[in-house]
Formats: sequence, structure tokens, C-alpha cells
Amino acid sequence: GAVVSQHPSWVICKSGTSVKIECRSLDFQATTMFWYRQFPKQSLMMMATSNEGSKATYEQGVEKDKFLINHASLTLSTLTVTSAHPEDSSFYICSAFTGNTEAFFGQGTRLTVV
Amino acid sequence: GQNIDQPTEMTATEGAIVQINCTYQTSGFNGLFWYQQHAGEAPTFLSYNVLDGLEEKGRFSSFLSRSKGYSYLLLKELQMKDSASYLCAVRDGDYKLSFGAGTTVTVRA
Repeated sequence: GAVVSQHPSWVICKSGTSVKIECRSLDFQATTMFWYRQFPKQSLMMMATSNEGSKATYEQGVEKDKFLINHASLTLSTLTVTSAHPEDSSFYICSAFTGNTEAFFGQGTRLTVV
Repeated sequence: GQNIDQPTEMTATEGAIVQINCTYQTSGFNGLFWYQQHAGEAPTFLSYNVLDGLEEKGRFSSFLSRSKGYSYLLLKELQMKDSASYLCAVRDGDYKLSFGAGTTVTVRA
């Protein structure tokens, strides 16, 4: 089946630094990818829709200048958490649809800001 | 926006059947999904319903009633490995998936 690969799986960074997370569709082209954030024992909250070749669409309450999304090709979307703070520590997950019926998720990235 | 409700927790015995209900209110509807998520891992796809009725897939079945804004996931012949969180998600016309809070299922021997 289709595979979405996310990298890195986990990262620890110092407060104030930036972290880039990559999401790749390995065997299909994804014109649209979605980024989610999940805090412990909570459900997935959508952050933004990443559109190939155009600006991302952010959900209400998500700071677009803090969470930079770039979808430069049909197989790669990146999320950069800028000037990370401890409250940004979370599980970040990307997903992409193949056709109409299935959304595949990346493995997720566990971000810890110290 | 979407409003998706599902029970927080359920417990069942190995070999039994469990039904997880999901109700939703949406401004647009383009399919309902069920996902399984183990702690610390990404969700994995279980089922998709866009038309009313029952979709069966091995031990897992999912039902949808669009007029009632209702779905359920049925897990049969429960195994210990089925202990996980089960997420109900609704897709709108923009292909955005909104998730319920998840139902934690605990399977006991």
C-alpha cells in the first residue's frame, strides 16, 4: 500500500531553536498533505493543509509564522517549528490521501523542547 | 466545523465483541473513517464509509447512517493486541479530516 514517510521520528531541541520535520509520499504523488498535532491523551488536531506549489492553509489558532509549511514538490512537505518553546513539545503527524478512500499517516515526530 | 463524539473508554474480554459508537455534526460530509492508534504511534487506517450501510473487513466492521449522523465500529473476536485507541474521523468537502477524541479499548484476558 501507499507509504508516507516522516522524518525524524523524534527530536530534542533547545528552547529558541528551529526544527524541521519532513513528510514524504514514497510511491504516490500528493498534491495535498495535512499536518496534525497531538498532545498526550488527546486526539489529533489539524494544524494546516499543505498545498503543492501554493501557500498552506492554517487552522484557526495556529500561528503561520511559527509553523512554517513548505510543499515544494508533489512528494515532499516540510513543517518547521520556529523558535520552539517547551509548550510546542508534542507529537506531530502528517498525512496524505491517495485517491478518495484512504488517508495514510507518517510515523509521527515526537518533539521535545528543553 | 465538525463536532464528533465517541465514548472515552471501553473494556471487553478477549474473544468478545465490542461496538464503538460515533456521532457527528458537520457542515459538510465526504466520508467517515475509523483509525486505530497504539500509544506513541501514528494512526493506522481501519475503514471508510461514505454511503449508508455496513462495511465488513475481517474482524472489523463499520456502519454509517448519514441521516442520523451516526457510525459504529464493531470489533469481533477480540484479541489482546486490539487494545488501543480508536479514532472516528469525518472528512469534509475540502478533504480535511476532523477527529473525535478517541475511544480507548482495553481487552482483558
